[in-house]
Amino acid sequence: GAGVSQSPRYKVAKRGQDVALRCDPISGHVSLFWYQQALGQGPEFLTYFQNEAQLDKSGLPSDRFFAERPEGSVSTLKIQRTQQEDSAVYLCASSPVIAFFQQETQYFGPGTRLLVL
Amino acid sequence: AQTVTQSQPEMSVQEAETVTLSCTYDTSESDYYLFWYKQPPSRQMILVIRQEAYKQQNATENRFSVNFQKAAKSFSLKISDSQLGDAAMYFCAYSKGGKLIFGQGTELSVKP
Repeated sequence: GAGVSQSPRYKVAKRGQDVALRCDPISGHVSLFWYQQALGQGPEFLTYFQNEAQLDKSGLPSDRFFAERPEGSVSTLKIQRTQQEDSAVYLCASSPVIAFFQQETQYFGPGTRLLVL
Repeated sequence: AQTVTQSQPEMSVQEAETVTLSCTYDTSESDYYLFWYKQPPSRQMILVIRQEAYKQQNATENRFSVNFQKAAKSFSLKISDSQLGDAAMYFCAYSKGGKLIFGQGTELSVKP
């Protein structure tokens, strides 16, 4: 079966542009996570979905960041009015269980590298 | 708040030798999970090994094993018989309730 996929793999945006990053989790996976990885750093949690419900968005750095997963499968991370400090790799991960109650391996996608000029 | 610390930004090992990567963490929880993830230059994060905190026995996966010291809040990764394909960034991660908290990473190079 296919793993987690993300698109685009690379995105260059001018400061002030809006961007949308897509994540296709493994089919049937209940939990979906977004992480932000700055250059030379470990990934940092952004937000978590259980099916279509966004249960934790405590890691979103500002109200310019918005995520959705309307049908409980594909998720989109949107960044409005991009700033240079938004430049990072955005990683998506999915898991087959309800993350709050159980801990299973998170399967990561290849990431989207965002560069804001 | 939980934190994860990897004190070795870079490590090097000779092919076929053994190397140990260090990780410490801070938490007030008694039940949690610890992971080591590998991130090759292609950037796809891959699970290497996981450890449940309630288990006293150290996890092993082929050439990879951990030394889990719960009281000391230490979770090191040992790679035996190192191979060229082991070269990558290695991240230690903690989890309680789903989200992963990562350390800063250790870049491992393997010399032929």
